[in-house]
Amino acid sequence: ETGVTQTPRHLVMGMTNKKSLKCEQHLGHNAMYWYKQSAKKPLELMFVYNFKEQTENNSVPSRFSPECPNSSHLFLHLHTLQPEDSALYLCASSQGYRMNTEAFFGQGTRLTVV
Amino acid sequence: QQQVKQSPQSLIVQKGGISIINCAYENTAFDYFPWYQQFPGKGPALLIAIRPDVSEKKEGRFTISFNKSAKQFSLHIMDSQPGDSATYFCAASRDYGQNFVFGPGTRLSVLP
Repeated sequence: ETGVTQTPRHLVMGMTNKKSLKCEQHLGHNAMYWYKQSAKKPLELMFVYNFKEQTENNSVPSRFSPECPNSSHLFLHLHTLQPEDSALYLCASSQGYRMNTEAFFGQGTRLTVV
Repeated sequence: QQQVKQSPQSLIVQKGGISIINCAYENTAFDYFPWYQQFPGKGPALLIAIRPDVSEKKEGRFTISFNKSAKQFSLHIMDSQPGDSATYFCAASRDYGQNFVFGPGTRLSVLP
């Protein structure tokens, strides 16, 4: 276990559904991240939160909506997704603003949009 | 400028052999270069990392070689084992940055 827990592990949703992914870290980190991992593509950074404030939105479509109520929890709200959004969504955390320290990843949520 | 190139895309090595994965970057502001290992069904986990003030770092069977002038770095896995079979990602980041730039990954298969 890395100390970063993601739920659910697997999710199948229709294009009209609304669902949320949850990430929780017990490492005392101040920065949390959402990454998208698609087949045969590099890991794509989606959002960064530092001390609960969103500091980066990497041109992500508005059908993905992040929420960070505190430094330990991160959510990704999903609505009106497209089949091409099917991917592994990874949450990560690190100590803080200095990014060049180790990032700890969760096991990911495998999302399938039908 | 933000891209990290990685090769090969896939690699097959016999048990006991040496696995070599290469990465190249453009942004000279990068100053932290980690390698992540990812097993199926798991998130990536840090394997080894290097900063540009050294040319080589070794941890057990894993060695990073870093060539600052060429803007290249590589991962060497000595005495490769079937348990090393995984996908390996190189990455780069800069101090006070908040974004790791990841390479596309190399799928390593070590044959018994």
